[in-house]
Amino acid sequence: QVQLVESGGGVVQPGRSLRLSCATSGFTFNRHGMHWVRQSPGKGLEWVAMIWFDGSNEYYVDSVKGRFTISRDNSENTLYLQMNSLRAEDTAVYYCSRDKISGAGTYFYGMDVWGQGTTVTVSS
Amino acid sequence: DIQMTQSPSSVSASVGDRVTITCRASQGISTWLAWYQQKPGKAPELLIYAASTLHSGVPSRFSGSGSGTDFTLTITSLQPEDFATYYCLQPNSLPLTFGGGTKVEIK
Repeated sequence: QVQLVESGGGVVQPGRSLRLSCATSGFTFNRHGMHWVRQSPGKGLEWVAMIWFDGSNEYYVDSVKGRFTISRDNSENTLYLQMNSLRAEDTAVYYCSRDKISGAGTYFYGMDVWGQGTTVTVSS
Repeated sequence: DIQMTQSPSSVSASVGDRVTITCRASQGISTWLAWYQQKPGKAPELLIYAASTLHSGVPSRFSGSGSGTDFTLTITSLQPEDFATYYCLQPNSLPLTFGGGTKVEIK
């Protein structure tokens, strides 16, 4: 079945870096745009970044631009989020998710499959 | 950025009740709206996309409507497993933005 499994979370000091991974299976990874969405403790959902199916386009929420980089390895069916210059406000559960519809610019239909999340805590 | 305002922030209801949640966009988004259900400690689950299309496997007691700036999620005959937090998402334009959430609690 379709599965997304995040890893790489942990406790990190402010200003340090962390790389999250999202291993996928059960679908044709290189046909779907992919997203990272986060949820701070006790708060709502916040979209963080997305990357097109072929990696040709990336988009970010303003609060992470210049600090986070989304990437993908279509040969390994894996999505990544490189997080640099981490701040306390980046503390959250990070979810990877898949565009419901395959192809280019198909985020209009939302995300239909989500991983279980990985927790990032930024604290000194 | 498009702001999504969801109301109410919480609602108390009983099994069998009809519950309505609204979401308002700060600008028109046609019918590009999705609804998610999230239970504590779990990932969100897609309920409805394109404002009114039920995602595969979602019970028919869930329905969505609206276009432009005003949208509604309705749960007819609330079931015990429906007590959760619900979020709207506008996928019309980047950055994607979520509503603040509506917690459906047991009365």
